[in-house]
Amino acid sequence: ETGVTQSPTHLIKTRGQQVTLRCSSQSGHNTVSWYQQALGQGPQFIFQYYREEENGRGNFPPRFSGLQFPNYSSELNVNALELDDSALYLCASRAGTGGPYEQYFGPGTRLTVT
Amino acid sequence: DQQVKQNSPSLSVQEGRISILNCDYTNSMFDYFLWYKKYPAEGPTFLISISSIKDKNEDGRFTVFLNKSAKHLSLHIVPSQPGDSAVYFCAASDGGSRLTFGEGTQLTVNP
Repeated sequence: ETGVTQSPTHLIKTRGQQVTLRCSSQSGHNTVSWYQQALGQGPQFIFQYYREEENGRGNFPPRFSGLQFPNYSSELNVNALELDDSALYLCASRAGTGGPYEQYFGPGTRLTVT
Repeated sequence: DQQVKQNSPSLSVQEGRISILNCDYTNSMFDYFLWYKKYPAEGPTFLISISSIKDKNEDGRFTVFLNKSAKHLSLHIVPSQPGDSAVYFCAASDGGSRLTFGEGTQLTVNP
């Protein structure tokens, strides 16, 4: 049973603003990854955190940043929002590092930038 | 550069028939492949996976086939059920936990 939750469900921001999205990992999972899913596309890897350290990053600019807390909850921060940042943002958690084994995804946060 | 491609945006099949979803990849470093299913307003759900050392993996109604020489994999669902209607994503990994996804295929199973 998955237990990954994300908040908020939906969010509308204006270009140039900053946004913080939150993720609560499934119990016992110490690795969290964030993905961006644009309309009509598959999810794209943003970055991964393991034990509060970033340990992998996709092709996203530095204005995308993250945090992982001791309780393994996580945040995705995006500064200087652009229209193209409008997307569904997914977090995924799993236990440990190493293989790409089953990651449990949250329902996502739908971000609209106007 | 789209390293994982699902060329069929949609697929419609009759209940009870076989559904075949296809996926192609270009990166030879990929060694682990997964299929995810996604319903609206939900996150992707892991369905089945296959390691590059195998050419077939089966789990109930779901079977994934891998053809490494062709850099092609497919997901077979038999028999298809209306509850299988969802978007299916193919994903690949080069050994780490980072997944590269295809664009997805919307499967519709008609009663």
